[in-house]
Amino acid sequence: SQKIEQNSEALNIQEGKTATLTCNYTNYSPAYLQWYRQDPGRGPVFLLLIRENEKEKRKERLKVTFDTTLKQSLFHVTASQPADSATYLCALGSLSGNTPLVFGKGTRLSVIA
Amino acid sequence: NAGVTQTPKFQVLKTGQSMTLQCAQDMNHNSMYWYRQDPGMGLRLIYYSASEGTTDKGEVPNGYNVSRLNKREFSLRLESAAPSQTSVYFCASSAILSGGGADTQYFGPGTRLTVL
Repeated sequence: SQKIEQNSEALNIQEGKTATLTCNYTNYSPAYLQWYRQDPGRGPVFLLLIRENEKEKRKERLKVTFDTTLKQSLFHVTASQPADSATYLCALGSLSGNTPLVFGKGTRLSVIA
Repeated sequence: NAGVTQTPKFQVLKTGQSMTLQCAQDMNHNSMYWYRQDPGMGLRLIYYSASEGTTDKGEVPNGYNVSRLNKREFSLRLESAAPSQTSVYFCASSAILSGGGADTQYFGPGTRLTVL
């Protein structure tokens, strides 16, 4: 069965450093991958989408990579700030029919001042 | 433009009671979804509707029913609530990517349900 793993439940990092979150998957060949941010008590909010033929996508201080050989996506937050503290979810998507996204369990990032 | 709205925000039920969670979106999206989120379990898909008039089971459909009332509205019904259904419920909607697949999902604020 399809399996998505986000490297850890929680990641603590010092302000100013780069946070790297990992999303690994098995038994799946996604056409694209999305990353979401979720703050406590709120619904997830979309951040970035990367397709299988794209190696890297950037948005401000965020960078996502997608390696279909390693079956892995990396999500980087550069020059991290306490306001970046949240749970980050990866989601895999297929182009076949109307298949819904498959979400990972998320990684809770805490940026310490 | 309200995005995705959900009602109610909070609800406490007794075991065996029924209720309907309401969801509406004003973005003209074809697809709508219901998820539940429990600590350590992530988002789990209950049901989804790829387009008006269709519904499909997700990962955890048992104990739930859905209705896609029209393109805007997608409701989730608990016919006989159980303590195991205590959770936070999120509704989401999305357009379809060119070439197929779900585009960005927009989530509602969630309904926090407790079943005693």
